[in-house]
Amino acid sequence: QKEVEQNSGPLSVPEGAIASLNCTYSDRGSQSFFWYRQYSGKSPELIMSIYSNGDKEDGRFTAQLNKASQYVSLLIRDSQPSDSATYLCAAFYGGSQGNLIFGKGTKLSVKP
Amino acid sequence: ETGVTQTPRHLVMGMTNKKSLKCEQHLGHNAMYWYKQSAKKPLELMFVYNFKEQTENNSVPSRFSPECPNSSHLFLHLHTLQPEDSALYLCASSRGTGYTGELFFGEGSRLTVL
Repeated sequence: QKEVEQNSGPLSVPEGAIASLNCTYSDRGSQSFFWYRQYSGKSPELIMSIYSNGDKEDGRFTAQLNKASQYVSLLIRDSQPSDSATYLCAAFYGGSQGNLIFGKGTKLSVKP
Repeated sequence: ETGVTQTPRHLVMGMTNKKSLKCEQHLGHNAMYWYKQSAKKPLELMFVYNFKEQTENNSVPSRFSPECPNSSHLFLHLHTLQPEDSALYLCASSRGTGYTGELFFGEGSRLTVL
């Protein structure tokens, strides 16, 4: 069964620190990976996608992919209270849309 | 209007009612989706439409009936629902079904079934 696992949190970090969010996936055939941010009472918003091993940086966000370890992470540098949200990891296993599998999300709280 | 808009934002219905959720996307996308989000569960795909043709039905009970009259509009017709159907229903769009994972979500319709 294809799964994406995330620690539900909450993960609490002080303002200005690096927040590290982690995700593991069950199937080595997974092709692409996505991070969504969901503020409380709002809808998910795509913030990062990563398709190959290594790091991908976008502003304060860095996505890291290690296919050998089946591990995806999202680093948020200089965390701000406005980063407080639930972060959803998703893995696409190929083929139909039904093979885009979401994790349950990690709740991040950034304390001023 | 920009992005993906959903109406109503909140809906309370009895188990014998019939109601509909509406979604409209203003992004020029070709694919539209219905997802269900329940507490402590991952997002669940319900239906996929590509160029207004249904391409996926993720084993959804027949009390949920989708309709896609064109690439910009998507409906979810609801009838004889159960209390366990109470959830946030999210509409999403993407440029096409080849852009899996690059989804743009609406704000959702919060459904409560009494």
